[in-house]
Amino acid sequence: GAVVSQHPSRVICKSGTSVKIECRSLDFQATTMFWYRQFPKQSLMLMATSNEGSKATYEQGVEKDKFLINHASLTLSTLTVTSAHPEDSSFYICSARAGTQSVLDTQYFGPGTRLTVL
Amino acid sequence: GEDVEQSLFLSVREGDSSVINCTYTDSSSTYLYWYKQEPGAGLQLLTYIFSNMDMKQDQRLTVLLNKKDKHLSLRIADTQTGDSAIYFCADGTGANNLFFGTGTRLTVIP
Repeated sequence: GAVVSQHPSRVICKSGTSVKIECRSLDFQATTMFWYRQFPKQSLMLMATSNEGSKATYEQGVEKDKFLINHASLTLSTLTVTSAHPEDSSFYICSARAGTQSVLDTQYFGPGTRLTVL
Repeated sequence: GEDVEQSLFLSVREGDSSVINCTYTDSSSTYLYWYKQEPGAGLQLLTYIFSNMDMKQDQRLTVLLNKKDKHLSLRIADTQTGDSAIYFCADGTGANNLFFGTGTRLTVIP
C-alpha cells in the first residue's frame, strides 16, 4: 500500500524555538496533505488541509501564524511549529491523499511525530 | 458538525471475536473507514465500506453498516494479541475531511 513517512519521529525542544516536521509520500503523488494533532488518549483533530502549490486551509481555532504549513511539491509537506510552548507538546500526524474523487483516494497516514516542548 | 462516537475500551480473550461499534451523525457520508493505531504509531487503514453497502468481509475483518441507524461495526474473528491497539472509525465523503471517532482501545487477553 501507499507509504507516508514523517521526520523526525520524536523531537524535544526548548520553549521559544521553532520545530519543523516533514511529511513525505514515498510511492505516490499527494495532491492533498492533512495535518492532525492527537492529545493523549484522544482522537485526532484536523489542524489543516494543504493542496500542493496553494495555501493551507486551517481549521477553526488553529493559528496559521503559529503552525506554518508548506506543501511545495507533490511528495512533501512541512509543518513548522513556531515559537513552541509546552502546550504545543503533542503527537502530530500527517496524512496524504492522491486524488479527490475516487474511493481509492483514501488518506494514508504517517507514523507521527512526538513533540515535547520543555 | 459531525459527531462520531465509539466506546472507549474493549477486552476479549485470545481466539474470541471482537466487535467494535461506532455511531455517526452525518447522513451524507459516502465512505466509512476503520483505522488501527498501535502504540506510538500513526494510523493504519484496515478497511473501508461504501455507504451503499451493508457488509464487507476481508479475511478476519467483517464490517457491518446499518445506514438507517447510522451504526458501523468492525468484527475481528479469532482475535490475536497482535490485534491489541486503538481502533478508530472515521466518516468521510471522499473529497472532504475525515471525522474520527474517539477510538476504542482493544485489549486481547492471552
